[in-house]
Amino acid sequence: DTAVSQTPKYLVTQMGNDKSIKCEQNLGHDTMYWYKQDSKKFLKIMFSYNNKELIINETVPNRFSPKSPDKAHLNLHINSLELGDSAVYFCASSQGFAGGWIEQFFGPGTRLTVL
Amino acid sequence: SQQGEEDPQALSIQEGENATMNCSYKTSINNLQWYRQNSGRGLVHLILIRSNEREKHSGRLRVTLDTSKKSSSLLITASRAADTASYFCATRTISGSARQLTFGSGTQLTVLP
Repeated sequence: DTAVSQTPKYLVTQMGNDKSIKCEQNLGHDTMYWYKQDSKKFLKIMFSYNNKELIINETVPNRFSPKSPDKAHLNLHINSLELGDSAVYFCASSQGFAGGWIEQFFGPGTRLTVL
Repeated sequence: SQQGEEDPQALSIQEGENATMNCSYKTSINNLQWYRQNSGRGLVHLILIRSNEREKHSGRLRVTLDTSKKSSSLLITASRAADTASYFCATRTISGSARQLTFGSGTQLTVLP
């Protein structure tokens, strides 16, 4: 059984479109994250939710809006896509928000290509 | 700027050899974690070492931490082709608002059969 799953795995779209990426975890964790990995493999945190509340919001354009309907889901909606948004987006989860004390479990990633 | 930076960026070795990867970081930390990422996959946690620990083992993995030099190393002994992956260090910073894991850009390890 997949612990952290993301859909879709690949997303190819035109500039200016709006798209969403979904994430679900079945580990019973209460904290979920979104990371962006660029072409140089540098991984940067974007958002973190604990018990459906936003606790980390890094300097991310407000075109990116996370939504957490419940503790098991954290979706990422992106408006007005730009070329620079092309990257691999990873969802992750952990039990408790310990700010990095504990391991995080990652999804398989969503490769977003903006044309 | 990045908190953790891995060195080398790429490493290619023969199966059976040992692989050593290094990580340097800038600010004080609570702990340091190593993750592995296979091509096209998400990251998988390997090992966590706390700031008051100097060395930790897990199977064929050995991690060292030198807080005075702000550096850590990951040693994989008797490497296998299946160890081919990118390896990332991640640090949890102590001060400021950076109460999250900060990752480096990874070392790409290739183990040749």
